[in-house]
Amino acid sequence: ILNVEQSPQSLHVQEGDSTNFTCSFPSSNFYALHWYRWETAKSPEALFVMTLNGDEKKKGRISATLNTKEGYSYLYIKGSQPEDSATYLCASGNTGTASKLTFGTGTRLQVTL
Amino acid sequence: NAGVTQTPKFQVLKTGQSMTLQCAQDMNHNSMYWYRQDPGMGLRLIYYSASEGTTDKGEVPNGYNVSRLNKREFSLRLESAAPSQTSVYFCASSEAVQGAYGYTFGSGTRLTVV
Repeated sequence: ILNVEQSPQSLHVQEGDSTNFTCSFPSSNFYALHWYRWETAKSPEALFVMTLNGDEKKKGRISATLNTKEGYSYLYIKGSQPEDSATYLCASGNTGTASKLTFGTGTRLQVTL
Repeated sequence: NAGVTQTPKFQVLKTGQSMTLQCAQDMNHNSMYWYRQDPGMGLRLIYYSASEGTTDKGEVPNGYNVSRLNKREFSLRLESAAPSQTSVYFCASSEAVQGAYGYTFGSGTRLTVV
């Protein structure tokens, strides 16, 4: 994988549903994996930064896992709420180009009542 | 708690005009970045500054110049705007250039070149 790829591109769930998204990234020379939450008309906000294989991070109902050997990260949202509606971006950085995060195109989540 | 402040928020330019996008952060971050966001594409890095006094090209630097005026400010200049530069521009900062630190983004500048 040369680029950062996110799936699905968009997702529509009902309030209370749990959901998850995938981020695939180049595993060679991995340095860090970032997740951002981007609400419409606002700027991206950092959710998690993970650097170690097996890392798991949690913030409220949102959690993320990291597998650097196979090059993927999952973002989970438990009991989705309408305020979770946003685009979720991931970005990866490699050693040697750690300053140059490569961003995926995001997963757009819409949560309805 | 201003964070990262970008100006202007909106701008319309004619082809060939020049302009400077301003960015300032008040978090004492060492590293600053300029990205552009185009439909269907991820954020793409234009230029970055690892620390005061240094700047480096990112993925899409052509047609742009930058200045790290001091630790707080990092400006992006379009010398001769082209329609291909129509985009939303985001400035960001982080404690250090290493990717282990999360980025703080500004609110964006929506630029249209006609």
